[in-house]
Amino acid sequence: NAGVTQTPKFRVLKTGQSMTLLCAQDMNHEYMYWYRQDPGMGLRLIHYSVGEGTTAKGEVPDGYNVSRLKKQNFLLGLESAAPSQTSVYFCASNRGIGEAFFGQGTRLTVV
Amino acid sequence: DAKTTQPNSMESNEEEPVHLPCNHSTISGTDYIHWYRQLPSQGPEYVIHGLTSNVNNRMASLAIAEDRKSSTLILHRATLRDAAVYYCILHGGSQGNLIFGKGTKLSVKP
Repeated sequence: NAGVTQTPKFRVLKTGQSMTLLCAQDMNHEYMYWYRQDPGMGLRLIHYSVGEGTTAKGEVPDGYNVSRLKKQNFLLGLESAAPSQTSVYFCASNRGIGEAFFGQGTRLTVV
Repeated sequence: DAKTTQPNSMESNEEEPVHLPCNHSTISGTDYIHWYRQLPSQGPEYVIHGLTSNVNNRMASLAIAEDRKSSTLILHRATLRDAAVYYCILHGGSQGNLIFGKGTKLSVKP
């Protein structure tokens, strides 16, 4: 049982480059979430999804886009990366109420 | 979104009980109280959640005030491995926005 898998685990981008982070879950969860965590800070919600084909903005959505074309996958895109987007990104999923399962994180550095 | 208030940090001695408080005076009737913790360099992990009644599991106990405006996470015997940041979160389920606050950093002394 893989749970929540994030790809890639590490990435270095140059300012202005684009990339997509992939989150995959094998628990048939309806809800999925993307967070960022800056050093010494708590998690901040970027975007979330309450089901296939739906997305919604969280606390800090600017500069990011998301898609949920398949129930098991939630993609986070950075169209034009900025140094301020250097962070650790976490994905999570749950059934709505109850335990949320988190991935191991993606450490992104934008230079 | 309903907010929670937690102390920034707490200290405990190993093998002693720890009571981590959380205030949530604006909680709505459909909000569940969730607790997660984050160990250093790891993603958050679920600890426990409840709605109105006190809850127990293998990791901890959750005591919810009768008016639901506060709750306490109880670790019965703290170990060094319990040193982490503990987050108290209100989650309305259908709203989908699982929002974390700043949490309480728990230090455990041997």
